[in-house]
Amino acid sequence: QLQESGPGLVKPSETLSLTCTVSSGSISSSSYYWGWIRQPPGEGLEWIGNIFYDGTTYYNPSLKSRATISVDTSKNRFSLSLNSATAADTAVYHCARYATYGAYYYFDLWGRGTRVTVSS
Amino acid sequence: DIQMTQSPSSLSASVGDRVTITCRASQNIRNYLNWYQKKPGTAPKLLIYAASTLQSGVPSGFSGSGSGTDFTLTISSLRPEDFATYYCQQSYTTPSLSFGGGTKVEIK
Repeated sequence: QLQESGPGLVKPSETLSLTCTVSSGSISSSSYYWGWIRQPPGEGLEWIGNIFYDGTTYYNPSLKSRATISVDTSKNRFSLSLNSATAADTAVYHCARYATYGAYYYFDLWGRGTRVTVSS
Repeated sequence: DIQMTQSPSSLSASVGDRVTITCRASQNIRNYLNWYQKKPGTAPKLLIYAASTLQSGVPSGFSGSGSGTDFTLTISSLRPEDFATYYCQQSYTTPSLSFGGGTKVEIK
């Protein structure tokens, strides 16, 4: 229902680019944000950022403006770009739906994840 | 930014054991706290939201409690399929958010 796609290998200093295609429901629903989360090898989950269907974005400050998330409502998908990639960006990248139930939000639907290695 | 700290980072337990995992927030997040289960090679699975509400389809052996800054996830009787890593996540600052560092539950 969410499927990540993109290169599995990125060279250092280049831009890491991934796309998440949403196949269940409309990405334009006001009930959801759409997010990127990654897990480096042997480490925990790290939130990268969220986007609303109108293009409003929110990012983890630790990424220091390297991340850009965009949305294409006509294709029901959203994307992640992470510039100046380093080995520290090597991780499994998940996209996910951040849904609301009343006042509460949670990630209720996830992609299986795609492994990205940053190496020359 | 709100920091989420889980303890322990790992634990060893046997099938049938009662397991408790703690998550502490660096500031008051009321009950805006979610718990996820993560197994290698699979997507995380939502277990509990709003600190204590069980997600549909999640076994009743899982329970959550707490409010403010201190929260717990309890597995009442560990099953073989419960060996995994568990993460808390605060949604108080939605749409920004943060995860805890994770607690790995291993077989003793």
